[in-house]
Amino acid sequence: GAVVSQHPSWVICKSGTSVKIECRSLDFQATTMFWYRQFPKQSLMLMATSNEGSKATYEQGVEKDKFLINHASLTLSTLTVTSAHPEDSSFYICSARVEGNTGELFFGEGSRLTVL
Amino acid sequence: GNSVTQMEGPVTLSEEAFLTINCTYTATGYPSLFWYVQYPGEGLQLLLKATKADDKGSNKGFEATYRKETTSFHLEKGSVQVSDSAVYFCALGSTGNQFYFGTGTSLTVIP
Repeated sequence: GAVVSQHPSWVICKSGTSVKIECRSLDFQATTMFWYRQFPKQSLMLMATSNEGSKATYEQGVEKDKFLINHASLTLSTLTVTSAHPEDSSFYICSARVEGNTGELFFGEGSRLTVL
Repeated sequence: GNSVTQMEGPVTLSEEAFLTINCTYTATGYPSLFWYVQYPGEGLQLLLKATKADDKGSNKGFEATYRKETTSFHLEKGSVQVSDSAVYFCALGSTGNQFYFGTGTSLTVIP
């Protein structure tokens, strides 16, 4: 299947700093990528849909100025958590859907963010 | 609208027991249905899928049948192993890149 890779897999930062997480589609082009957030023992919460070459579409309740998404190429989307606070600590997962596929999402390995 | 309702966990089974995780859905149109598995500290991996009614998805001994009449996609395995311990998510994929996930069911298999 298609491969989606995330980096870093885990990061620890101080409160008030910004953290960037990268999501790459390694063997296919993804015009659309999705960013999810997952709290411990809970399901995935869709944060935003990242569109190559245009602005991301954010879900209701997600602060777009807090979670900056950039999708500058067909293989890379980035999520930047700005001015991070402890409540932003979470597991962030990206995914992408292969165009013309029967429809499954391919997920990255996830990035665990801990804000001290 | 579209939604997925999944059996709540956690589920604890002995090795070689039979597993069923229930999943029902509501949908407009003709969605595809999926089961994803998440091992501790990892992202989600596709376990199996079915793209139309009466299709059966299968992988690694797991099976699920797309049943339109009961709007269900229950996951089953005849004999679970310790290595099957994970969280399982039922998902619905519709047109327009929309995906809907169930709440996840944690499975623990004990030797």
